[in-house]
Amino acid sequence: KAGVTQTPRYLIKTRGQQVTLSCSPISGHRSVSWYQQTPGQGLQFLFEYFSETQRNKGNFPGRFSGRQFSNSRSEMNVSTLELGDSALYLCASSPQGSGNTIYFGEGSWLTVV
Amino acid sequence: SQQGEEDPQALSIQEGENATMNCSYKTSINNLQWYRQNSGRGLVHLILIRSNEREKHSGRLRVTLDTSKKSSSLLITASRAADTASYFCATGNNDYKLSFGAGTTVTVRA
Repeated sequence: KAGVTQTPRYLIKTRGQQVTLSCSPISGHRSVSWYQQTPGQGLQFLFEYFSETQRNKGNFPGRFSGRQFSNSRSEMNVSTLELGDSALYLCASSPQGSGNTIYFGEGSWLTVV
Repeated sequence: SQQGEEDPQALSIQEGENATMNCSYKTSINNLQWYRQNSGRGLVHLILIRSNEREKHSGRLRVTLDTSKKSSSLLITASRAADTASYFCATGNNDYKLSFGAGTTVTVRA
């Protein structure tokens, strides 16, 4: 079974631009969540989706958004990029969400210059 | 804000020795999961332990959970160079998210 796949793996953007990151969950998993990892703040929860519905959202500004498609694939978008958005963005999937083992992808490294 | 706190922040051991790291958390949980992260890579799931369980084993890994003390420990026995990584505990509840600690960086010396 293929794991969680994230694209792109690395990208460099300029301040003010926007970025879209993509995530394909493990086959059969309907819950997809996103996390931001930075040296200063560690691993922070962004949002979680299940059957195209956002069930929880972390404490991030509205510039961070996401969505989930009917095939469970998910995207997250960051608009008006700031230098502080430079981070490793990790996508994770699980069958149902809470109570299940949650599997992570390799992440997307975003550098904002 | 982070729910869990790992201790120690860093650990250096000789190959073949055991490594123990601890995780404390603040609020009640449904489960606690341990992950490993190699530099610049994603998180690899190690073990999930539920709030009604006290101990779980997986290969060279042993995890304990003490809900009365709100703490968990991860023991890696007979460590190998490949165990060099950062280890994170993450608590789960009925809110569809994991709350991570800051992690323990383990270095295994040959």
